Amino acid sequence: DAGITQSPRHKVTETGTPVTLRCHQTENHRYMYWYRQDPGHGLRLIHYSYGVKDTDKGEVSDGYSVSRSKTEDFLLTLESATSSQTSVYFCAISEYLQMNTEAFFGQGTRLTVV
Amino acid sequence: GQQLNQSPQSMFIQEGEDVSMNCTSSSIFNTWLWYKQDPGEGPVLLIALYKAGELTSNGRLTAQFGITRKDSFLNISASIPSDVGIYFCAPGGSQGNLIFGKGTKLSVKP
Repeated sequence: DAGITQSPRHKVTETGTPVTLRCHQTENHRYMYWYRQDPGHGLRLIHYSYGVKDTDKGEVSDGYSVSRSKTEDFLLTLESATSSQTSVYFCAISEYLQMNTEAFFGQGTRLTVV
Repeated sequence: GQQLNQSPQSMFIQEGEDVSMNCTSSSIFNTWLWYKQDPGEGPVLLIALYKAGELTSNGRLTAQFGITRKDSFLNISASIPSDVGIYFCAPGGSQGNLIFGKGTKLSVKP
């Protein structure tokens, strides 16, 4: 299994509070991604990173920010959590080599905003 | 933006049946990947396709990269109970921005 660790695995938080989810990899892969998964929507890309301090928005980036200060860590922050951000969040990594975009996923973080 | 359609959204399988699903896009892609997600887990890569027209098998799974580069198909032959889960297509873009279809959920017929 690819070395990807998401923390925490489960979190319940109150509306309006800040929340940070962490993704840690031991594979030295260049690309890291944050997705959210909701019923009927599949996996939707929030943000991704193509190197240290290099990030870009995905299709559902509003209300989220990310940071990547080291190759191995990619943080997802909800500055002020809302109930619509209740979801399962997945981190993924990939080593983009020309045509190879295979991604490996973490086990997910279930976030509930009450 | 690009549109990605995966169908069917869900289907029920009986052991031994063959299963087919597909993805179509409004854009051209260089790569098509198929993933499976078991309950409570992250998706895992099943098959990767890198060339238009390519047909690739992995055990009972067969996937094809459409000649137009806008679609892909996944077939599962002689399904077994452990095939249940959610299957995602993921066409690969040139910028490393990996997007996914909405998934096809396979369940066992009651």
